[in-house]
Amino acid sequence: IAGITQAPTSQILAAGRRMTLRCTQDMRHNAMYWYRQDLGLGLRLIHYSNTAGTTGKGEVPDGYSVSRANTDDFPLTLASAVPSQTSVYFCASSEERGPTDTQYFGPGTRLTVL
Amino acid sequence: GNSVTQMEGPVTLSEEAFLTINCTYTATGYPSLFWYVQYPGEGLQLLLKATKADDKGSNKGFEATYRKETTSFHLEKGSVQVSDSAVYFCALSDRSNNNDMRFGAGTRLTVKP
Repeated sequence: IAGITQAPTSQILAAGRRMTLRCTQDMRHNAMYWYRQDLGLGLRLIHYSNTAGTTGKGEVPDGYSVSRANTDDFPLTLASAVPSQTSVYFCASSEERGPTDTQYFGPGTRLTVL
Repeated sequence: GNSVTQMEGPVTLSEEAFLTINCTYTATGYPSLFWYVQYPGEGLQLLLKATKADDKGSNKGFEATYRKETTSFHLEKGSVQVSDSAVYFCALSDRSNNNDMRFGAGTRLTVKP
């Protein structure tokens, strides 16, 4: 079982370019999440999805968009990248989006915006 | 709003030493509490959790007790190993905050032989 896969592993991007980070899970989880990890700040929620066809905004959604066309995939798009979006991005999933649900994380995508 | 505060690292210990990583929280509701661990080059994985007051979560020799009176969830291990070197994150999730998971800043632990 692969769990959660993310692509690419790392990327260097020029400011102003569009970029989509891919995330796929094979656990048939209803809920999925995107976080960014910055030194000294821990992980911060960007967007989430309770189930296929629905999405919601997290703590830091500006400059990012998501879609959830099916259960397995949850891509994150940066429409016009800026240097402050340099970070490590983690996709996660859980069976449901409840307060006791364990989240399962992918290996991350390291993004550098120049 | 909800928040988590962890002791600042990095923490460096010798093998077989006792470990404590402090975590306190602020929540408007009645949260569930978690410890996640991130090994080098990997994503986070659940270490343990507790969903109500006085619950003790435990896994791989690590323990943490949900203390509502002190709003704390300190992580402890009696004898650390080199393989425990990682970054540890305390987190909470609460219905009153849309079930959003809030993470602490993380504490880097290095265990030396």
